[in-house]
Formats: sequence, structure tokens, C-alpha cells
Amino acid sequence: DTAVSQTPKYLVTQMGNDKSIKCEQNLGHDTMYWYKQDSKKFLKIMFSYNNKELIINETVPNRFSPKSPDKAHLNLHINSLELGDSAVYFCASSHSELLSGTQYFGPGTRLLVL
Amino acid sequence: DAKTTQPNSMESNEEEPVHLPCNHSTISGTDYIHWYRQLPSQGPEYVIHGLTSNVNNRMASLAIAEDRKSSTLILHRATLRDAAVYYCILIHAGNMLTFGGGTRLMVKP
Repeated sequence: DTAVSQTPKYLVTQMGNDKSIKCEQNLGHDTMYWYKQDSKKFLKIMFSYNNKELIINETVPNRFSPKSPDKAHLNLHINSLELGDSAVYFCASSHSELLSGTQYFGPGTRLLVL
Repeated sequence: DAKTTQPNSMESNEEEPVHLPCNHSTISGTDYIHWYRQLPSQGPEYVIHGLTSNVNNRMASLAIAEDRKSSTLILHRATLRDAAVYYCILIHAGNMLTFGGGTRLMVKP
């Protein structure tokens, strides 16, 4: 019944590895997002994606790439992981035709890079 | 997106009402006022939103100033489970949310 789900919940990996985080929503939304929350607890948007366009926050390194196999999924791929990538990553979704723009968030994936 | 200003933290006693203020003096006519909250170790959770009129739902009430340059989130009876960081955000359709620092609400038993 979870509206927005993410896997894995925890991810511990070595520097230089490539990893993916999966996100699925069953709300029928057409737009999905990835956010990063660092150790200082600030939430920053990374990507916004629907079947029409990908909007990238210009501060996001190109080692990060979203991939959407279908409307219900938006996975986050991270290449050559660095220590500074350690954070909590949240997926969210919304309906683009809803003027209010309400977003629904997943539970987060806690990434630790050693 | 227009910027919002919130106090860093607030305290409340359990069972008492809480008024969380937010200033957004540069709001545009098409910006919706959203409130989200983040409980410890959880993802942000939608609380309420409004455009011009005051709004009520099962979680809270939103009071919007007549000039829309400020708003107040009202929790009618704070419980320990309401302890969280509350974010006031302005958004127009399709735009990405820009979170500020939010207000950390502490609820004392």
C-alpha cells in the first residue's frame, strides 16, 4: 500500500563503486523527483522528470543520472561514488496537471560511502 | 521560487495549540503556499496547502494573510508525535520544491 517506495533503505559501499537506488510510486503520478539531504539536514532538489522533460539542478555532478523505465519508476544511478555523496536520498512524485504541485515522498535511502 | 523565512525552532506544550509563522514577502500571484513536515528519520510529509483563503484539514489549519506575504500553520492540539521540522514552501505547478531550513518544533509533555 506504500505510495512511494524506495530500495534499498540502507546502502553502504566503497569509494569509486557504482550504485543504483530504485524508486516506485503507485499513485498514478506523471512526475517524479530525487532529493538529497546532507548531514546538515538541508533538502536539495536534484532532478525533476516526467515523460516530457528532465530538469536537472545545475549543482548536481554528472556522475548522478536518473533513469525511468516507465512512469511509475525513477531510479538514481551514481557512478564513481565519493565520500561527499554520503547522505539520505528521497524520491518523490506529483501530478503535473495539479496546479498546487503537492508532492509525496518516499522513506529515503541512507547512503554511506566509505 | 520565491523565498520563505521561518524561525529556526519553537517549543510547545503537549495538548496546546501551536502557531508556526512563515514570511514570504516576494510571493507571486500564482504561487501556492505549502507546508510539509519531516519527522525524525522519515521523508517529508505533506501537511496542507493554500492559495488565498484559509484552509483546514484533518492535520492542521493554514491561515493566509490578506496580502499573502505571510502565513501561519496552526496545529490545534500539539502531541508528542507532532515534533518535527516544519517547512513552508512556495510552489507553482511543475516547479521543483525548494526547501529552506524550516522550523524545528519541540513538544514538551
